[in-house]
Amino acid sequence: DAGVIQSPRHEVTEMGQEVTLRCKPISGHDYLFWYRQTMMRGLELLIYFNNNVPIDDSGMPEDRFSAKMPNASFSTLKIQPSEPRDSAVYFCASSGVEQFFGPGTRLTVL
Amino acid sequence: SQKIEQNSEALNIQEGKTATLTCNYTNYSPAYLQWYRQDPGRGPVFLLLIRENEKEKRKERLKVTFDTTLKQSLFHITASQPADSATYLCALDTNSGYALNFGKGTSLLVTP
Repeated sequence: DAGVIQSPRHEVTEMGQEVTLRCKPISGHDYLFWYRQTMMRGLELLIYFNNNVPIDDSGMPEDRFSAKMPNASFSTLKIQPSEPRDSAVYFCASSGVEQFFGPGTRLTVL
Repeated sequence: SQKIEQNSEALNIQEGKTATLTCNYTNYSPAYLQWYRQDPGRGPVFLLLIRENEKEKRKERLKVTFDTTLKQSLFHITASQPADSATYLCALDTNSGYALNFGKGTSLLVTP
Protein backbone atom coordinates (compact mmCIF):
# COMPACT_ATOMS: atom_id res chain seq x y z
CA ASP A 1 0.00 0.00 0.00
CA ALA A 2 1.34 3.46 -0.88
CA GLY A 3 0.04 4.99 2.31
CA VAL A 4 -1.98 8.19 2.46
CA ILE A 5 -1.44 10.28 -0.66
CA GLN A 6 -1.80 14.05 -0.71
CA SER A 7 -1.54 16.53 -3.55
CA PRO A 8 -0.15 18.97 -4.23
CA ARG A 9 2.86 18.83 -1.92
CA HIS A 10 3.40 22.54 -2.18
CA GLU A 11 0.99 25.29 -3.13
CA VAL A 12 1.73 28.98 -3.43
CA THR A 13 -1.19 31.22 -4.22
CA GLU A 14 -2.31 34.77 -3.88
CA MET A 15 -4.83 36.08 -1.41
CA GLY A 16 -8.38 35.69 -2.66
CA GLN A 17 -7.69 32.65 -4.81
CA GLU A 18 -9.40 29.30 -4.36
CA VAL A 19 -7.24 26.45 -3.09
CA THR A 20 -8.12 22.76 -3.29
CA LEU A 21 -6.14 20.15 -1.40
CA ARG A 22 -6.59 16.46 -2.21
CA CYS A 23 -6.24 13.26 -0.24
CA LYS A 24 -6.40 9.56 -1.02
CA PRO A 25 -6.68 7.52 2.20
CA ILE A 26 -5.42 4.01 2.80
CA SER A 27 -7.80 1.47 1.33
CA GLY A 28 -10.10 -0.06 3.93
CA HIS A 29 -9.75 2.72 6.47
CA ASP A 30 -13.14 4.00 7.57
CA TYR A 31 -12.00 7.29 9.08
CA LEU A 32 -10.39 10.27 7.35
CA PHE A 33 -9.07 13.35 9.14
CA TRP A 34 -7.92 16.77 7.96
CA TYR A 35 -5.42 18.65 10.17
CA ARG A 36 -3.61 21.95 9.95
CA GLN A 37 -0.17 22.48 11.52
CA THR A 38 1.48 25.77 12.37
CA MET A 39 4.30 26.65 14.75
CA MET A 40 1.97 28.75 16.89
CA ARG A 41 -0.99 26.41 17.20
CA GLY A 42 0.52 22.99 16.57
CA LEU A 43 -1.54 20.25 14.92
CA GLU A 44 -5.24 21.13 14.85
CA LEU A 45 -8.06 18.86 13.78
CA LEU A 46 -10.24 20.58 11.19
CA ILE A 47 -12.79 17.92 10.25
CA TYR A 48 -13.15 14.17 10.10
CA PHE A 49 -15.27 11.68 8.18
CA ASN A 50 -16.51 8.20 9.00
CA ASN A 51 -17.54 6.08 6.02
CA ASN A 52 -17.51 9.21 3.84
CA VAL A 53 -19.89 11.10 6.17
CA PRO A 54 -18.65 14.27 7.93
CA ILE A 55 -18.86 13.65 11.68
CA ASP A 56 -17.31 16.67 13.33
CA ASP A 57 -16.40 19.90 11.54
CA SER A 58 -16.14 22.05 14.66
CA GLY A 59 -12.46 22.66 13.94
CA MET A 60 -13.08 24.27 10.57
CA PRO A 61 -12.03 27.88 11.16
CA GLU A 62 -14.75 29.59 9.15
CA ASP A 63 -17.07 29.34 6.20
CA ARG A 64 -14.21 29.82 3.79
CA PHE A 65 -13.21 26.25 4.51
CA SER A 66 -15.14 23.27 3.19
CA ALA A 67 -14.39 19.56 2.88
CA LYS A 68 -15.95 16.73 0.94
CA MET A 69 -15.53 13.01 0.68
CA PRO A 70 -17.46 11.83 -2.38
CA ASN A 71 -16.23 8.25 -2.05
CA ALA A 72 -14.06 6.05 0.14
CA SER A 73 -10.89 6.76 -1.82
CA PHE A 74 -10.93 10.54 -2.18
CA SER A 75 -11.38 13.69 -0.13
CA THR A 76 -10.86 17.39 -0.76
CA LEU A 77 -10.33 20.40 1.47
CA LYS A 78 -11.18 23.68 -0.21
CA ILE A 79 -10.39 27.23 0.91
CA GLN A 80 -12.26 29.98 -0.89
CA PRO A 81 -11.17 32.74 -0.75
CA SER A 82 -7.74 32.09 0.70
CA GLU A 83 -6.03 34.50 3.10
CA PRO A 84 -2.39 34.83 4.26
CA ARG A 85 -3.33 33.50 7.71
CA ASP A 86 -4.30 30.20 6.07
CA SER A 87 -0.63 29.55 5.36
CA ALA A 88 0.23 26.26 7.08
CA VAL A 89 0.92 22.59 6.44
CA TYR A 90 -2.28 20.65 5.89
CA PHE A 91 -2.27 16.95 6.67
CA CYS A 92 -4.70 14.23 5.82
CA ALA A 93 -4.76 11.06 7.93
CA SER A 94 -6.73 7.83 7.85
CA SER A 95 -7.35 5.16 10.51
CA GLY A 96 -8.22 2.92 12.59
CA VAL A 97 -7.39 3.76 16.14
CA GLU A 98 -3.85 4.70 15.15
CA GLN A 99 -3.69 7.35 12.48
CA PHE A 100 -1.62 7.19 9.32
CA PHE A 101 -0.63 10.60 8.04
CA GLY A 102 0.09 11.73 4.54
CA PRO A 103 3.15 13.82 3.69
CA GLY A 104 1.19 17.05 3.93
CA THR A 105 0.59 20.03 1.67
CA ARG A 106 2.56 23.16 2.46
CA LEU A 107 0.29 26.08 1.61
CA THR A 108 1.60 29.61 1.27
CA VAL A 109 -0.88 32.40 0.65
CA LEU A 110 0.77 35.64 -0.39
CA SER B 1 -11.68 22.41 27.02
CA GLN B 2 -9.03 19.74 26.92
CA LYS B 3 -5.49 21.06 27.32
CA ILE B 4 -2.34 19.10 26.50
CA GLU B 5 1.10 20.30 27.56
CA GLN B 6 4.44 19.10 26.34
CA ASN B 7 7.81 20.66 27.07
CA SER B 8 8.25 23.41 24.52
CA GLU B 9 11.99 23.52 25.08
CA ALA B 10 14.07 21.12 23.06
CA LEU B 11 15.60 18.19 24.89
CA ASN B 12 19.29 17.63 24.14
CA ILE B 13 20.88 14.40 25.31
CA GLN B 14 23.97 12.36 24.61
CA GLU B 15 23.86 9.18 22.59
CA GLY B 16 23.33 6.12 24.76
CA LYS B 17 21.40 7.96 27.47
CA THR B 18 17.69 7.59 28.17
CA ALA B 19 15.45 10.36 26.88
CA THR B 20 12.31 11.11 28.87
CA LEU B 21 9.53 13.27 27.44
CA THR B 22 6.49 14.44 29.37
CA CYS B 23 2.87 14.91 28.37
CA ASN B 24 0.45 16.49 30.84
CA TYR B 25 -3.24 17.03 30.28
CA THR B 26 -6.15 18.72 32.03
CA ASN B 27 -9.93 18.85 31.91
CA TYR B 28 -10.33 15.36 30.57
CA SER B 29 -10.00 11.64 31.25
CA PRO B 30 -8.94 10.03 27.98
CA ALA B 31 -9.65 6.41 27.22
CA TYR B 32 -6.24 6.14 25.56
CA LEU B 33 -3.17 8.17 24.74
CA GLN B 34 -0.87 7.88 21.74
CA TRP B 35 2.67 8.98 20.91
CA TYR B 36 3.80 9.99 17.43
CA ARG B 37 7.14 10.89 15.92
CA GLN B 38 7.46 13.68 13.36
CA ASP B 39 10.53 14.36 11.25
CA PRO B 40 11.01 17.71 9.46
CA GLY B 41 8.91 17.96 6.32
CA ARG B 42 6.98 14.79 7.05
CA GLY B 43 3.71 13.75 8.62
CA PRO B 44 3.56 12.27 12.13
CA VAL B 45 4.17 8.54 12.45
CA PHE B 46 2.40 6.43 15.07
CA LEU B 47 4.64 4.86 17.74
CA LEU B 48 2.64 3.58 20.70
CA LEU B 49 -0.84 3.55 22.19
CA ILE B 50 -1.57 3.09 25.88
CA ARG B 51 -5.07 2.66 27.34
CA GLU B 52 -6.36 4.13 30.58
CA ASN B 53 -6.26 0.77 32.34
CA GLU B 54 -2.62 0.17 31.38
CA LYS B 55 0.24 1.51 33.48
CA GLU B 56 3.04 0.84 31.04
CA LYS B 57 3.61 -0.23 27.44
CA ARG B 58 6.89 -1.19 25.78
CA LYS B 59 8.05 -1.53 22.19
CA GLU B 60 11.72 -2.25 21.56
CA ARG B 61 13.63 0.72 23.06
CA LEU B 62 10.44 2.70 23.72
CA LYS B 63 8.46 2.75 26.92
CA VAL B 64 5.32 4.72 27.73
CA THR B 65 3.69 5.15 31.12
CA PHE B 66 0.22 6.49 31.81
CA ASP B 67 -0.74 7.89 35.22
CA THR B 68 -4.42 8.84 35.15
CA THR B 69 -4.22 10.25 38.69
CA LEU B 70 -1.43 12.65 37.82
CA LYS B 71 -2.91 13.12 34.32
CA GLN B 72 0.49 12.49 32.86
CA SER B 73 2.25 10.25 30.37
CA LEU B 74 6.00 9.73 30.19
CA PHE B 75 7.71 8.60 27.00
CA HIS B 76 11.15 7.01 27.35
CA ILE B 77 13.71 6.13 24.69
CA THR B 78 16.48 3.97 26.12
CA ALA B 79 19.96 3.73 24.59
CA SER B 80 19.16 6.76 22.47
CA GLN B 81 20.71 7.19 19.04
CA PRO B 82 21.18 10.23 16.79
CA ALA B 83 18.52 8.69 14.51
CA ASP B 84 16.01 9.20 17.33
CA SER B 85 16.29 12.97 16.86
CA ALA B 86 12.83 14.22 15.92
CA THR B 87 9.77 15.91 17.39
CA TYR B 88 7.55 13.69 19.52
CA LEU B 89 3.85 14.41 19.84
CA CYS B 90 1.40 13.04 22.34
CA ALA B 91 -2.26 12.75 21.41
CA LEU B 92 -5.39 12.06 23.43
CA ASP B 93 -8.69 10.66 22.25
CA THR B 94 -11.59 13.08 22.30
CA ASN B 95 -14.54 10.78 22.94
CA SER B 96 -15.58 11.52 19.35
CA GLY B 97 -14.89 8.49 17.22
CA TYR B 98 -11.17 8.18 16.66
CA ALA B 99 -10.51 11.93 16.60
CA LEU B 100 -7.39 13.01 18.49
CA ASN B 101 -6.17 16.17 20.16
CA PHE B 102 -2.43 16.64 19.77
CA GLY B 103 0.09 18.38 21.95
CA LYS B 104 2.53 20.77 20.27
CA GLY B 105 5.36 18.30 20.60
CA THR B 106 8.83 18.22 22.12
CA SER B 107 11.93 18.33 19.96
CA LEU B 108 14.58 15.75 20.86
CA LEU B 109 18.19 16.06 19.74
CA VAL B 110 20.55 13.16 20.38
CA THR B 111 24.19 14.03 19.88
CA PRO B 112 27.00 11.50 19.30
